[in-house]
Amino acid sequence: DILINQSPASLTVSAGEKVTMSCKSSQSLLYSENNQDYLAWYQQKPGQFPKLLIYGASNRHTGVPDRFTGSGSGTDFTLTISSVQAEDLADYYCEQTYSYPLTFGSGTKLEIK
Amino acid sequence: EVQLVESGGGLVQPGRSLKLSCAASGFTFSNYYMAWVRQAPKKGLEWVATISTSGSRTYYPDSVKGRFTISRDNAKSSLYLQMNSLKSEDTATYYCARADSSYNAYWGQGTLVTVSS
Repeated sequence: DILINQSPASLTVSAGEKVTMSCKSSQSLLYSENNQDYLAWYQQKPGQFPKLLIYGASNRHTGVPDRFTGSGSGTDFTLTISSVQAEDLADYYCEQTYSYPLTFGSGTKLEIK
Repeated sequence: EVQLVESGGGLVQPGRSLKLSCAASGFTFSNYYMAWVRQAPKKGLEWVATISTSGSRTYYPDSVKGRFTISRDNAKSSLYLQMNSLKSEDTATYYCARADSSYNAYWGQGTLVTVSS
């Protein structure tokens, strides 16, 4: 099984600050035949269901603000929020969809000062 | 607008069975893989099952393999999860999701399953 190590577990920032969180995979998520990384990021606000933010490591899902950026390839991936807003208070999860069983990271809880 | 509405959750005793349903609308259901993902109280996300467009292929993690069965009825735009031999560790909110090119692009609101005596 592919293990996903997500960090940090939590972080607290002020509105307007830049935030980065990491996701490291135990093996490469890059599929050589299409040069695509099979890594997604989800946002789950308190009391809500998760929502897809980023797929293919760096592609924003429909309607996702451009302050959210996904980057990385292979085994190391990053989600960056360029200027955090109060509404970004949430848990963030990464997921590998390279192979079954699909696995999620343990999540990063983002709190706003 | 894509809509996924889960139902069928509730309180069930250990060892018993429960069947969840997910009603889909706003898209051509038969064109998409579908999945179930669960979340135990105050915990992270765990993938539970995926089914192909025709239903001919299904995938499960070891934690539910042999106990859970995912199925679909394309004529009714509905997804199901039959859960047998339930354990306390199966207590969670179960989400139905549309899998777009393997990513869970759209999610339902979830249905809570509590396994307890």
